[in-house]
Amino acid sequence: QSALTQPASVSGSPGQSITISCTGTSSDVGGYNYVSWYQQHPGKAPKLMIYEVSYRPSGVSNRFSGSKSGNTASLTISGLQAEDEADYYCSSYTGSNTLLFGGGTKLTVL
Amino acid sequence: QVQLQESGPGLVKPSETLSLTCTVSGGSISTYYWSWIRQPAGKGLEWIGLIYISGNTSYNPSLKSRITMSLDTSKNQFSLKLSSVTAADTAVYYCARGGGNTRFIYWGQGTLVTVSS
Repeated sequence: QSALTQPASVSGSPGQSITISCTGTSSDVGGYNYVSWYQQHPGKAPKLMIYEVSYRPSGVSNRFSGSKSGNTASLTISGLQAEDEADYYCSSYTGSNTLLFGGGTKLTVL
Repeated sequence: QVQLQESGPGLVKPSETLSLTCTVSGGSISTYYWSWIRQPAGKGLEWIGLIYISGNTSYNPSLKSRITMSLDTSKNQFSLKLSSVTAADTAVYYCARGGGNTRFIYWGQGTLVTVSS
């Protein structure tokens, strides 16, 4: 199993919006609505930001949103803030109770 | 509030077996999936496997031949054994609640395991 494909890095200025893509296949991202997104600051455990493609856990800012089209899922962060600078990972169910992560994207807030 | 804490040796010799335990507090281990995830330094997350109260397990196909997961309901713990380790298994190992088609809401803080002689 190869990791889901994410851009290595994205950047944006405070207040702007950015989108991170997560590309898989019809056997994972395209086949199930079980895509999650995690935020990870240096030295910290990942934090769930989006689950089941577009749902936000309680306490997560509504500046974070998720979507999916075909084999590609996307995380959009609007109104970028300095605290959003972190690594972001997508994950997808792949059937038979297995799961795959993306390679990760480093978000830089300029 | 559910909390998870990994424990185990921080140094393992090549070809030996890595053993880690995750202790869950603030909730019962008797529901939900429970997973292990690892992250080599400077690299991405890799799902290792999950276990459920029934004892059913599901493992990453790339690691399946070397993994054994178990759980101990009396101690509210679950464990990971990874055999025949090499330097490539050096990573921060996280335990988390979730896996499969369920999200990882709760994570341990992670524990660094180094494989070296």
